[in-house]
Amino acid sequence: NAGVTQTPKFRILKIGQSMTLQCAQDMNHNYMYWYRQDPGMGLKLIYYSVGAGITDKGEVPNGYNVSRSTTEDFPLRLELAAPSQTSVYFCASRAGVDSPLHFGNGTRLTVT
Amino acid sequence: GENVEQHPSTLSVQEGDSAVIKCTYSDSASNYFPWYKQELGKRPQLIIDIRSNVGEKKDQRIAVTLNKTAKHFSLHITETQPEDSAVYFCAASRMNYGGSQGNLIFGKGTKLSVKP
Repeated sequence: NAGVTQTPKFRILKIGQSMTLQCAQDMNHNYMYWYRQDPGMGLKLIYYSVGAGITDKGEVPNGYNVSRSTTEDFPLRLELAAPSQTSVYFCASRAGVDSPLHFGNGTRLTVT
Repeated sequence: GENVEQHPSTLSVQEGDSAVIKCTYSDSASNYFPWYKQELGKRPQLIIDIRSNVGEKKDQRIAVTLNKTAKHFSLHITETQPEDSAVYFCAASRMNYGGSQGNLIFGKGTKLSVKP
């Protein structure tokens, strides 16, 4: 298994641009998550999904959107990028609420 | 909602010494407490977890203790080695709940430095 795969690894955006961060998992996990990690800070939940077709907001959803059309894929969309969205973004998945989280390698995003 | 406080934010120890990181949580219904290790530039990885039906769990040099009454749990690393240097995150959630209540809430992390 490849686990959780995120693309791209790095990206620089100009203010106002849009982009989609890709996330795919091959473990047939129902639960998928998007976190952002700012320097010196913990992980903040942006959006999560408990299965295909179901998504919900986390702690910091403003400025982001997600979709979950398949079990495997959980893309994160940034519309009108702002400097405050400069961060490292981690996608994660798990089989159930009592299972460990598996993280992807992250996407480092800079908005200038 | 749940709030997780983690201390200290930085910890420096000599190789071979023990390291202890403490976390407190606010939601008395939380019953799942994992610890993640994140090396510089890498993804967080689970190192140990504990459920509320036990008070302590060990895995070689790593142990976690849980005090449900006081609502705190701790990570203990014995005989530290330079490769233990990393950021450690604690987290808490309600294991048997779906929706947002089952989501993990993370502490802000502890940067552990082990000096040779």
